[in-house]
Amino acid sequence: DTAVSQTPKYLVTQMGNDKSIKCEQNLGHDTMYWYKQDSKKFLKIMFSYNNKELIINETVPNRFSPKSPDKAHLNLHINSLELGDSAVYFCASSQLAGTGRPDTQYFGPGTRLTVL
Amino acid sequence: LAKTTQPISMDSYEGQEVNITCSHNNIATNDYITWYQQFPSQGPRFIIQGYKTKVTNEVASLFIPADRKSSTLSLPRVSLSDTAVYYCLVGKGGSYIPTFGRGTSLIVHP
Repeated sequence: DTAVSQTPKYLVTQMGNDKSIKCEQNLGHDTMYWYKQDSKKFLKIMFSYNNKELIINETVPNRFSPKSPDKAHLNLHINSLELGDSAVYFCASSQLAGTGRPDTQYFGPGTRLTVL
Repeated sequence: LAKTTQPISMDSYEGQEVNITCSHNNIATNDYITWYQQFPSQGPRFIIQGYKTKVTNEVASLFIPADRKSSTLSLPRVSLSDTAVYYCLVGKGGSYIPTFGRGTSLIVHP
């Protein structure tokens, strides 16, 4: 009964390859996110989707393409992987509170990507 | 967007109270202050949120002075399992871009 799940947990690949990370949430939330966390624990938002529509795209290279087949899934495809893409990628979801308060984010366990 | 500043790291010992302060000098009128906790090898999780004065739950307390330009997360009597990174966020509902930054890495020693 995991709320937000990601696969795979670990991903080791060579530079130049293309890879995908999958995310699913069973909370019934409308909004999903992708974050990148570097080795210094800096956690930065990359994308946000609301009901399958892109609403936040934080100056991420075009090599990163999120895809949302339905509101429970938000996958991240990365083309032509580079050494600097090595990081932990977190998926999250939230539901609009509608009270003026920021949404509470529910995070997945993360995917550690290592590019060699 | 309101920028936040918090210490990069803190050390404490079991049984002590830990206070982590976050500065947010340009907080807007409708902004809330939210704290998340991230254990090693896990995703962050929400711990507390407040707008003004004091908020307390089973995990922590959040103190917000009248000018709201800073806030303090208080963890009573920490244990080794409180070793984590703590993130302070400022923002309001609606068009909110969650800005986590680097957080404060708290290490609790025996």
